[in-house]
Amino acid sequence: GESVGLHLPTLSVQEGDNSIINCAYSNSASDYFIWYKQESGKGPQFIIDIRSNMDKRQGQRVTVLLNKTVKHLSLQIAATQPGDSAVYFCAESISSNTGKLIFGQGTTLQVKP
Amino acid sequence: ETGVTQTPRHLVMGMTNKKSLKCEQHLGHNAMYWYKQSAKKPLELMFVYNFKEQTENNSVPSRFSPECPNSSHLFLHLHTLQPEDSALYLCASSQDRVTAMGDFGPGTRLLVL
Repeated sequence: GESVGLHLPTLSVQEGDNSIINCAYSNSASDYFIWYKQESGKGPQFIIDIRSNMDKRQGQRVTVLLNKTVKHLSLQIAATQPGDSAVYFCAESISSNTGKLIFGQGTTLQVKP
Repeated sequence: ETGVTQTPRHLVMGMTNKKSLKCEQHLGHNAMYWYKQSAKKPLELMFVYNFKEQTENNSVPSRFSPECPNSSHLFLHLHTLQPEDSALYLCASSQDRVTAMGDFGPGTRLLVL
């Protein structure tokens, strides 16, 4: 069946270092991808999205890379800060129905001071 | 801060109780969603409403009954739930079904005894 997965359940990084969170997806028909951040006690928060006609998109301190050949998505966070500590989810969908998202299990990012 | 609010934030109910979860969005969006987030499992889409019409029911048991009286409000009526229904129930909204979904509420933490 379809699945979206993250490679590591927990990632621990030093404050100031760059973080890379990975995600694999299995539905080759998916053409729209989102990264979310979820802090404790809160709902998921949109970080950045990318469509399949792109392989890279940059935001403020974040970059999403998409490799359609191997169905791989990654989120890079530059100069990781304590406020970046959270669970990060990737999600995939077909762009004609972006509300029907399939989520991965999440990676917990821990930032050490 | 999020424009999607949910009440109550926490709910404890017995298996024979009837309760309702409420979601309200102040963003002028036309699509609203219910998601279930269980421990150690990915977010699961439950229902999608677009312009007050239900467009998606992701094989959800009938003990969960959604209601969308207008584009700003979404309810989830609960009756005769099981302990395995204990989870965080998240409401989300987007401009419509084909627009990126970026707005989640904080969720209702439900415990079924």
